[in-house]
Amino acid sequence: GQNIDQPTEMTATEGAIVQINCTYQTSGFNGLFWYQQHAGEAPTFLSYNVLDGLEEKGRFSSFLSRSKGYSYLLLKELQMKDSASYLCAVREERGNMLTFGGGTRLMVKP
Amino acid sequence: SAVISQKPSRDICQRGTSLTIQCQVDSQVTMMFWYRQQPGQSLTLIATANQGSEATYESGFVIDKFPISRPNLTFSTLTVSNMSPEDSSIYLCSVWEQGNTIYFGEGSWLTVV
Repeated sequence: GQNIDQPTEMTATEGAIVQINCTYQTSGFNGLFWYQQHAGEAPTFLSYNVLDGLEEKGRFSSFLSRSKGYSYLLLKELQMKDSASYLCAVREERGNMLTFGGGTRLMVKP
Repeated sequence: SAVISQKPSRDICQRGTSLTIQCQVDSQVTMMFWYRQQPGQSLTLIATANQGSEATYESGFVIDKFPISRPNLTFSTLTVSNMSPEDSSIYLCSVWEQGNTIYFGEGSWLTVV
């Protein structure tokens, strides 16, 4: 089975940088995804990490350490529209299904 | 990326009735999944929709309650049977694309009254 933990809520200021952590304990691992979900909308894909290290995509970066069972999503130059829930999900070895953490609700304040 | 369309987008259903949700993808995809997101919670996998055979259900979900069809590589349906208020959720279709990306449809928001 999978156990995936992330903080429930975070608050940050517009223009700042925020790091959302995700730790996982899994019986199998085949990659880690980050999704963004605005209230009332479906999740949208942000990033995928399968190898250790940092993947950068514009203002968003995602990091993975497989030996530590740890990932983070880094959001730079925060904008008000970044207020959303951020979901960490582990892809299992047995297929391409995902197991999700509880999600982190990020509030960006002026 | 694949475009995933779900119908209905929202519905209000009477207790005891059944509703079928459709998922249409604009390209052939190998794997399709159905997830549920209950109010204030994260996503939980219901089942993997297998083309031409019975779906593979996760623990806690059964075929009688959530029958699934997948007649081809671009289409699947999920039926929520004999609904109760506890079934009020967002139901999401998901597909896996080559390149290790998993996308979601827009979701179907169901409220059972």
